[in-house]
Amino acid sequence: EVQLVESGGGLVKPGGSLRLSCAASGFTFSSYSMNWVRQAPGKGLEWVSSISSSSSYIYYADSVKGRFTISRDNAKNSLYLQMNSLRAEDTAVYYCARGVPAAMSGWFDPWGQGTLVTVSS
Amino acid sequence: QAVLTQPSSLSASPGASASLTCTLRSGINVGTYRIYWYQQKPGSPPQYLLRYKSDSDKQQGSGVPSRFSGSKDASANAGILLISGLQSEDEADYYCMIWHSSVVVFGGGTKLTVL
Repeated sequence: EVQLVESGGGLVKPGGSLRLSCAASGFTFSSYSMNWVRQAPGKGLEWVSSISSSSSYIYYADSVKGRFTISRDNAKNSLYLQMNSLRAEDTAVYYCARGVPAAMSGWFDPWGQGTLVTVSS
Repeated sequence: QAVLTQPSSLSASPGASASLTCTLRSGINVGTYRIYWYQQKPGSPPQYLLRYKSDSDKQQGSGVPSRFSGSKDASANAGILLISGLQSEDEADYYCMIWHSSVVVFGGGTKLTVL
């Protein structure tokens, strides 16, 4: 069974940092692109970042560019999101989602259960 | 103007069909994009439903019933998610998505009420 489990969320002060992790299992992690998508409380989905299977291609939303860094460790079947200079508007549930094999643009399936990041003083 | 615009809400009766639209911003031609659709129920992560670009370029998500289908309205520059034979369990938020110049864009979502 394909599983994605996010961790690392929590309460952080504005300007602070947080590192999210996504542990993958049940599929050949190194063959798939991976993605982070967030959802502010009561709001819609907002794409954050995507990374290709070999980390050769990395894309960010303008809202996080320069502050967030996506990375992956294929040996550990893990995806990461380093979040710096956090703002109140970064408060959201952050989902990890599997992309498609051998490509970047495609569907996101499945999604993890998400981890909540709250930025507040 | 948002890249993808979805009506905020839609109501339909059980057994009826519902047509959820995803309108692309003027200047972005719906014909050139694969449109992805997701369903999200309260307290759960989104689930992938299907992809639609044309009748020859479409894909159903794994385990997604055939009563969920995609289409396009070129005259309206919109993608469409059609749900036939509505069931109470279809009540959820629905989001469209495209890849646009190495960026992913989601529509604002449509809350579908089945009553």
